[in-house]
Amino acid sequence: EVQLVQSGAEVKKPGESLRISCKASGYSFTNYWINWVRQVPGKGLEWMGKIDPSDSNANYSPSFQGHVTLSTDTSVNTAYLQLSSLKASDTAMYYCARQYHGECDYWGQGTLITVSS
Amino acid sequence: DIQMTQSPSSLSASVGDRVTIPCRASQNIGTYLNWYQHKPGKAPRLLIYAASVFHSGVPSRFSGGGSGTDFTLTIRSLRPEDFATYYCQQTFTTPPTFGQGTRVEV
Repeated sequence: EVQLVQSGAEVKKPGESLRISCKASGYSFTNYWINWVRQVPGKGLEWMGKIDPSDSNANYSPSFQGHVTLSTDTSVNTAYLQLSSLKASDTAMYYCARQYHGECDYWGQGTLITVSS
Repeated sequence: DIQMTQSPSSLSASVGDRVTIPCRASQNIGTYLNWYQHKPGKAPRLLIYAASVFHSGVPSRFSGGGSGTDFTLTIRSLRPEDFATYYCQQTFTTPPTFGQGTRVEV
């Protein structure tokens, strides 16, 4: 069974950084890109970027370029999303998702990040 | 970026209704169009990809259609568990973009 399990909710202060993890199981981790999607409270879904675990090639949305870093560790089948210089506007639910062809067929449960002073 | 427009942002329906949710792309995307269902507190769920292909396990009351710039998601006979927000997403170009979502409510 394909599963993506994300790390737990966090509360951060403005200016801090954070890293969210997404552990994959039930399939060959290096065969599928991992996408990251954000949902700000009360808003819709926003694509942030994606990474190929086989070679760490990453594509970023222009909206998040420079603010987000994607990485993977194939030894533990885990993808990471790092956000730097957090702002209150980064308060959101963050999802990882496996990309099959173009679509995201399996999703993590989400990680709620709250940025507040 | 390709803009995806979903209008209305919400619609009212009753159990048993046939519901059609439209989605329009700002340029021709062929059939590079996916539909997701999202409920509060849950992960989004893939329903349809390539405009009309069912994802594994999706009930047959859901169907997708369209190509080019205009697409629809149809729920043939609405069930209580179908009250949710539905998003279309284009994957014709990077960045892939989502519509604003259509909330199906009572």
